[in-house]
Amino acid sequence: NAGVTQTPKFQVLKTGQSMTLQCAQDMNHEYMSWYRQDPGMGLRLIHYSVGAGITDQGEVPNGYNVSRSTTEDFPLRLLSAAPSQTSVYFCASSTEDTQYFGPGTRLTVL
Amino acid sequence: ILNVEQSPQSLHVQEGDSTNFTCSFPSSNFYALHWYRWETAKSPEALFVMTLNGDEKKKGRISATLNTKEGYSYLYIKGSQPEDSATYLCACPSGGYQKVTFGTGTKLQVIP
Repeated sequence: NAGVTQTPKFQVLKTGQSMTLQCAQDMNHEYMSWYRQDPGMGLRLIHYSVGAGITDQGEVPNGYNVSRSTTEDFPLRLLSAAPSQTSVYFCASSTEDTQYFGPGTRLTVL
Repeated sequence: ILNVEQSPQSLHVQEGDSTNFTCSFPSSNFYALHWYRWETAKSPEALFVMTLNGDEKKKGRISATLNTKEGYSYLYIKGSQPEDSATYLCACPSGGYQKVTFGTGTKLQVIP
């Protein structure tokens, strides 16, 4: 039982490049979320999903896309990376009341 | 977006001291209040989920209380140990359980 896994652990992009951050969970949770963590800002919700095929925007969705084709996977796409997207990204899957976080992806956009 | 605030921002205590910190949240349309513990270079881990006014939860030396009428929760650590050093986050869902707003955290350092 791996819990929540995220790949890659680290990534450096140039402005304008695209990439997908992968997130997978093996706990059969319906709910999954993406957060970004910036100094002094805490965790901010980017997008979330309440089940396969259902996604919604969080607090800071601009510049990011998500999809949820299976219960297990919830990838986060950056279509055209910007320096403002330099951050640590956490994926979480959850029951109704407890979130389980992945190890994070540290992204730097130059 | 809910306004979830935590204080203090950081805290240094001596080993053996007891300490507490605060999470404030809007008292209207309250669903739940979550506490997480976040050690450096790790991921946040759930401590407590609190839903009822007057709730009190305890795990070892850590306990939490909830006042939904006035919109605050306290986290207490009794006899702090160096391994308690971490950032403690509180979070509130709104518009359903999955749209969660986190506070910015209280960073606790316990000095041996």
